[in-house]
Amino acid sequence: ELKVEQNPLFLSMQEGKNYTIYCNYSTTSDRLYWYRQDPGKSLESLFVLLSNGAVKQEGRLMASLDTKARLSTLHITAAVHDLSATYFCAAGTSGTYKYIFGTGTRLKVLA
Amino acid sequence: ETGVTQSPTHLIKTRGQQVTLRCSSQSGHNTVSWYQQALGQGPQFIFQYYREEENGRGNFPPRFSGLQFPNYSSELNVNALELDDSALYLCASRIRGALSSGANVLTFGAGSRLTVL
Repeated sequence: ELKVEQNPLFLSMQEGKNYTIYCNYSTTSDRLYWYRQDPGKSLESLFVLLSNGAVKQEGRLMASLDTKARLSTLHITAAVHDLSATYFCAAGTSGTYKYIFGTGTRLKVLA
Repeated sequence: ETGVTQSPTHLIKTRGQQVTLRCSSQSGHNTVSWYQQALGQGPQFIFQYYREEENGRGNFPPRFSGLQFPNYSSELNVNALELDDSALYLCASRIRGALSSGANVLTFGAGSRLTVL
């Protein structure tokens, strides 16, 4: 059974600092998704990673995938307050819309 | 506005009651998925519907059921409500033109927050 773990669960960081969120999954998955959720809001799609070594970047966020290690990372560069949110990774399989989500990383960027 | 619309946004029920949650997608994709998100947790897959038939289910009891209609709208029904059913219920579909269409990227609605007393 596919399981997804994220760490850390909570992250408080200063503006301007860099940090990485880790996402491990337990069995083979051929795609990895990252979503952002603001309090009381729905999930916003950030990235989808489809192959080993895939790297995607958008603004201060960069996601990567290592399928051999079953690990994805979300790197935050020079954090700003607007990045405060909960970030979820989810593993999926081609041909289905069943995602297995991690428990989320609640990020708070302090001014 | 994500392209996936859910109603109602909030509702309160008591134990033992039944609830129906609704979802519609602007682009009318033929697959819809439902997820349950308990407070402080990640979403959990309930089931998905493809062309009006359930074709995938997570670890949820039969009192969770669904329907998908020819116009691609969908319903989630929960019978015999329990306190643990209190959660945000998310409907999701694939929206044309969204990020990496073809990679099964789901667009989520804003959700229906159910409180069971």
